[in-house]
Amino acid sequence: EVQLVESGGGLVKPGGSLRLSCAASGFTFSSYSMNWVRQAPGKGLEWVSSISSSSSYIYYADSVKGRFTISRDNAKNSLYLQMNSLRAEDTAVYYCAVIVDAFDIWGQGTMVTVSS
Amino acid sequence: DVVMTQSPLSLPVTLGQPASISCRSSQSLVYSDGNTYLNWFQQRPGQSPRRLIYKVSNRDSGVPDRFSGSGSGTDFTLKISRVEAEDVGVYYCMQGTHWLMYTFGQGTKLEIK
Repeated sequence: EVQLVESGGGLVKPGGSLRLSCAASGFTFSSYSMNWVRQAPGKGLEWVSSISSSSSYIYYADSVKGRFTISRDNAKNSLYLQMNSLRAEDTAVYYCAVIVDAFDIWGQGTMVTVSS
Repeated sequence: DVVMTQSPLSLPVTLGQPASISCRSSQSLVYSDGNTYLNWFQQRPGQSPRRLIYKVSNRDSGVPDRFSGSGSGTDFTLKISRVEAEDVGVYYCMQGTHWLMYTFGQGTKLEIK
């Protein structure tokens, strides 16, 4: 079965850190660029970061640049998002997703809550 | 940065009637390869998003043919020919032309009157 499963979300204090993981299965993970997209409670979708298949190209939204780091391990079919210096406005459901011409796959999301 | 602007943001529709959502980009979405990477996503209540349309007008596998996409350059439209109850949710356009630096529209909430 083709799927993405996120994990690592939770409650963290402002200024804290969290590392999200996304486990891929059912497709050739190493062939595709990967993305993190978030959705604050009651709000729309916001692109966060993307990484090319070989990690050669990495991009971030301005809202997270310098605080978040995306990475991947193709041997483990896994995508990561290291989130540092977290702020209240980072509170959201974080989705990992593959979005290419042939198909799109989204995980179920993992909730990150930044609150004291 | 490319800004995507959708309208309307709220769309009440009677069952069986058509619906239309507009999406405008702040710059042309035509890529150097000649393709236009404009996608439409649907997010039903409590679910993850799923794509309906890619490259302006191509329906994803399993998407009913009552959904159609059109447009060019900076102006795009998603149309539903006859709205059904299962179409309730929020619809987003997303540009993929600027590779790995994607942008979503604000979302359009479709509800049944």
